[in-house]
Amino acid sequence: ETGVTQTPRHLVMGMTNKKSLKCEQHLGHNAMYWYKQSAKKPLELMFVYSLEERVENNSVPSRFSPECPNSSHLFLHLHTLQPEDSALYLCASSQEGGGARETQYFGPGTRLLVL
Amino acid sequence: DQQVKQNSPSLSVQEGRISILNCDYTNSMFDYFLWYKKYPAEGPTFLISISSIKDKNEDGRFTVFLNKSAKHLSLHIVPSQPGDSAVYFCAAYRNNAGNMLTFGGGTRLMVKP
Repeated sequence: ETGVTQTPRHLVMGMTNKKSLKCEQHLGHNAMYWYKQSAKKPLELMFVYSLEERVENNSVPSRFSPECPNSSHLFLHLHTLQPEDSALYLCASSQEGGGARETQYFGPGTRLLVL
Repeated sequence: DQQVKQNSPSLSVQEGRISILNCDYTNSMFDYFLWYKKYPAEGPTFLISISSIKDKNEDGRFTVFLNKSAKHLSLHIVPSQPGDSAVYFCAAYRNNAGNMLTFGGGTRLMVKP
């Protein structure tokens, strides 16, 4: 497989559930990103990892917990979410993580519904 | 308050004609702008970018224009093709502001055959 893949593509969860979103990039990039796209709102950056270290945390609630075990994998652990967290969660990667000027390559996203 | 705005949620154009997608921003400190294109069920893909020191960048059928005094940029697609039908996002970046891209809300372009 090439590019950036995300699993699952769709997820429905209750507010008391714990689930994880997975992202994998096959591009040899050093930086990975989590974005959130809510209905009728712009894409919002959540987290940035560069060389497996978190370099940006854009004031995201603690019920979202990222994990980057290596430069190819990125997880978003979800716990006690709220219905307003229902959104499309997009993962992206870029070559060096040296700034947003780099072209970011996006995965297809996970559409999350919190009941 | 959104720093990057795309005020037209949708645009419909006939095949072969020009598509013009607009984007306005409020932060004069932005110094790099990008356009991404998104098909349904896929992630956004990079299309074209422009530095704030330029006023035009062209790549094939796609041209981005930047008017810094008006804090406005536009994407021109000529000629438009049905395969261009997608959602287009503009995004802005500021040096020394970390890795943060600020996105607009997107404009859905429909090119009719």
